[in-house]
Amino acid sequence: EAQVTQNPRYLITVTGKKLTVTCSQNMNHEYMSWYRQDPGLGLRQIYYSMNVEVTDKGDVPEGYKVSRKEKRNFPLILESPSPNQTSLYFCASSLWQGAPVYEQYFGPGTRLTVT
Amino acid sequence: AQSVTQPDIHITVSEGASLELRCNYSYGATPYLFWYVQSPGQGLQLLLKYFSGDTLVQGIKGFEAEFKRSQSSFNLRKPSVHWSDAAEYFCAVSTKTSYDKVIFGPGTSLSVIP
Repeated sequence: EAQVTQNPRYLITVTGKKLTVTCSQNMNHEYMSWYRQDPGLGLRQIYYSMNVEVTDKGDVPEGYKVSRKEKRNFPLILESPSPNQTSLYFCASSLWQGAPVYEQYFGPGTRLTVT
Repeated sequence: AQSVTQPDIHITVSEGASLELRCNYSYGATPYLFWYVQSPGQGLQLLLKYFSGDTLVQGIKGFEAEFKRSQSSFNLRKPSVHWSDAAEYFCAVSTKTSYDKVIFGPGTSLSVIP
């Protein structure tokens, strides 16, 4: 089954404690992206990647890091989480044949709470 | 600045009634337009998309949308709403000038009254 998986689905942590949210897709997609969803703001893009070792900042990259060492995986790293990073996070993937981005396939989401 | 607006934060309709969700965008280049649906506790699923050609596009679950370049709009419609359509709906845009980014609107929450 074609899918995007995220782990963990729920996470409660404390300020400053480094964490990683994993994302994996089995569709051989080149393009992968991370979004955060906050009430009234819709989805905002954090980082994206067009292929292995190619990443770029989205609209809200501050406080986040990513890496793309393998095509299927795109982990999101919060080196020093703060309460304003409490949010619902989605990973997505898509085919990439040059701009623009085509339809994306989304993971189930990770609800992060930072206290 | 490039933006996507969905003027209605929340809409309530009766089951069987027709539905129209509004989406407006602000882009100079030809847009590529999407509607996604998010059911409670779920990820987002693509309903339909417009890249080019016929400006009236059909999607899954009986939804359709019409691209109107003159109005910078891409409104989503359904002739008869079912209770299972209650969800959050997001309009999204990407363009060749925004290259590799996708901009989402703030979403419209749909409630369906039995």
